[in-house]
Amino acid sequence: DQQVKQNSPSLSVQEGRISILNCDYTNSMFDYFLWYKKYPAEGPTFLISISSIKDKNEDGRFTVFLNKSAKHLSLHIVPSQPGDSAVYFCAAIALIQGAQKLVFGQGTRLTINP
Amino acid sequence: DTEVTQTPKHLVMGMTNKKSLKCEQHMGHRAMYWYKQKAKKPPELMFVYSYEKLSINESVPSRFSPECPNSSLLNLHLHALQPEDSALYLCASSSQAINTEAFFGQGTRLTVV
Repeated sequence: DQQVKQNSPSLSVQEGRISILNCDYTNSMFDYFLWYKKYPAEGPTFLISISSIKDKNEDGRFTVFLNKSAKHLSLHIVPSQPGDSAVYFCAAIALIQGAQKLVFGQGTRLTINP
Repeated sequence: DTEVTQTPKHLVMGMTNKKSLKCEQHMGHRAMYWYKQKAKKPPELMFVYSYEKLSINESVPSRFSPECPNSSLLNLHLHALQPEDSALYLCASSSQAINTEAFFGQGTRLTVV
């Protein structure tokens, strides 16, 4: 039962263009979502988050959009840079016994081509 | 300072060995986590500590034993592991506020031989 899904295992984008990574979720109780970036053999690095009371959050080149009715969120990176090549995880926060649990999607490997 | 420090970075251990993974943060976070990540898979939660008390154990086998000696430190004691336990073990911390990001360490790459 995968509650957070990233259906594209990989994405290839030309440098300077927009990268769009997608994520779907099934649990309507989720109300906070995050995107993490991960390089091989390193821990995930927090990028940006969004609360369910918003439909957009922007931080520099990164923008996250949330469509609550469709249970869908997306991460836009513009312009894409070679250093953006990494695996991107979408995550939702589940509250269990008063503690937070991150539920991750399967990840999308983004490759930025020069 | 948003750093979570994990030691060692790499560990190779036999199935009869006892070893410990260590994690430290100085952000004043009162929630600390252990996650396990296998190749080409997302991180999976193992344990959550909240105010130095174990809040969540995701049905982890008893050969993994967590410990939170104080608010800055988190250990994971390993004993009698199996080769399938080889993975990247990630420590994370977050504030106690609801709906906040967790900060991850670099991970310990564990190989069980």
